[in-house]
Amino acid sequence: EAEVAQSPRYKITEKSQAVAFWCDPISGHATLYWYRQILGQGPELLVQFQDESVVDDSQLPKDRFSAERLKGVDSTLKIQPAELGDSAMYLCASIPRSGEGETQYFGPGTRLLVL
Amino acid sequence: GEDVEQSLFLSVREGDSSVINCTYTDSSSTYLYWYKQEPGAGLQLLTYIFSNMDMKQDQRLTVLLNKKDKHLSLRIADTQTGDSAIYFCAGSGGYQKVTFGTGTKLQVIP
Repeated sequence: EAEVAQSPRYKITEKSQAVAFWCDPISGHATLYWYRQILGQGPELLVQFQDESVVDDSQLPKDRFSAERLKGVDSTLKIQPAELGDSAMYLCASIPRSGEGETQYFGPGTRLLVL
Repeated sequence: GEDVEQSLFLSVREGDSSVINCTYTDSSSTYLYWYKQEPGAGLQLLTYIFSNMDMKQDQRLTVLLNKKDKHLSLRIADTQTGDSAIYFCAGSGGYQKVTFGTGTKLQVIP
């Protein structure tokens, strides 16, 4: 069964360092999401892509976070510089195409710890 | 935007039924979802219901939707220890933006 792939699974970094996370959605899925999930909370949308275009990045802290999906397939989320409050699980999800009723398929997540 | 609220914790005995409740604010939510998250893992979709439905049953899972009160519930029949996890309610608004609740931690006591 096709799955959303994410790497790394775990990342420990020091504050002020740069980190990057990678996501490969299910083949053929046009819509890709990055979520941040702080411990004890539900996922919060950071950015949504439709193919290579950003559809919604209203909750992305753009002073330090950036996301790209250059060829409309895999995607990278970067944080520079990382802060202590960025410690969280970063989840990637995809659906075939934005519309009604498509369910999101989630990857296993990248757990980030900033020291 | 949408707000989705859930109780934080539920404890049940193995074999009993579990009922997890959720309230949401956006009456235009088209789909409402229930996801399961096990420790250290991503989210697994359990079931979803279209907003014009009142009930959906899928094996041990029953979803009830009261659109008037904006209340959604998930009933798990014959709860097993493997059902112990965090359960998230979520609603989709415009352009497939999904808002998640804070999650309900289900503890199943053997």
